[in-house]
Amino acid sequence: QSVLTQPPSVSGAPGQRVTISCTGSSSNIGAGYDVHWYQQLPGTAPKLLMFDNTIRSSGVPDRFSGSKSGTSASMAITGLQAEDEADYFCQSFDSSLSSVVFGGGTKLTVL
Amino acid sequence: EVQLLESGGGLVQPGGSLRLSCAVSGFTFNSHAMSWVRQVAGKGLEWVSIISASSDYIYYADSVKGRFTISRDNSKNTVYLQMNSLRVEDTAVYYCAKKTYGPSGYFELWGRGTLVTVSS
Repeated sequence: QSVLTQPPSVSGAPGQRVTISCTGSSSNIGAGYDVHWYQQLPGTAPKLLMFDNTIRSSGVPDRFSGSKSGTSASMAITGLQAEDEADYFCQSFDSSLSSVVFGGGTKLTVL
Repeated sequence: EVQLLESGGGLVQPGGSLRLSCAVSGFTFNSHAMSWVRQVAGKGLEWVSIISASSDYIYYADSVKGRFTISRDNSKNTVYLQMNSLRVEDTAVYYCAKKTYGPSGYFELWGRGTLVTVSS
């Protein structure tokens, strides 16, 4: 069971908007630690998508956006494209565990 | 071109040992912390260990503490993960990653991974 909770799956039609939530607690996201997001395309390594809650990594289109509030964070994808179909993971730090922590991952399906 | 290339994975029996290597090119290796992250097939990511640029701080996940040892050779631009007393539950793809500084840091570059299978 992951310290950060993500929905196992989300889906949307091309052109639609989807959001992926990442819920933590007072010892990680709620303690002020930044949240970062990774995209993992099928059969490949994870790739940094967004860091420090809202900053897109180089080359990431502005269809991707991030936010953080309280003990949760979320990532939104607008104008959904077939190439967005992937697994998405959030990551932060937990002070109680003194450890980097990841969410369990969310599989995005483009219908 | 930035490249992180892991090697050393394979099949090992429970209780056995393996040493993973990650050869880096394309950035100033000796200025950055490096980490290992693993992923069980079809599952999520798990941080394993981190070593600072000059090896003065090293941390491990509780699940591997006392069994795994991370090290680096800045003259060879390589980071290592010595894995001893391997368990079935250590079976995973192991990625090396360049991590930014501090607990709030992130993994900005990843290798392709190397598969470790622990089975009798």
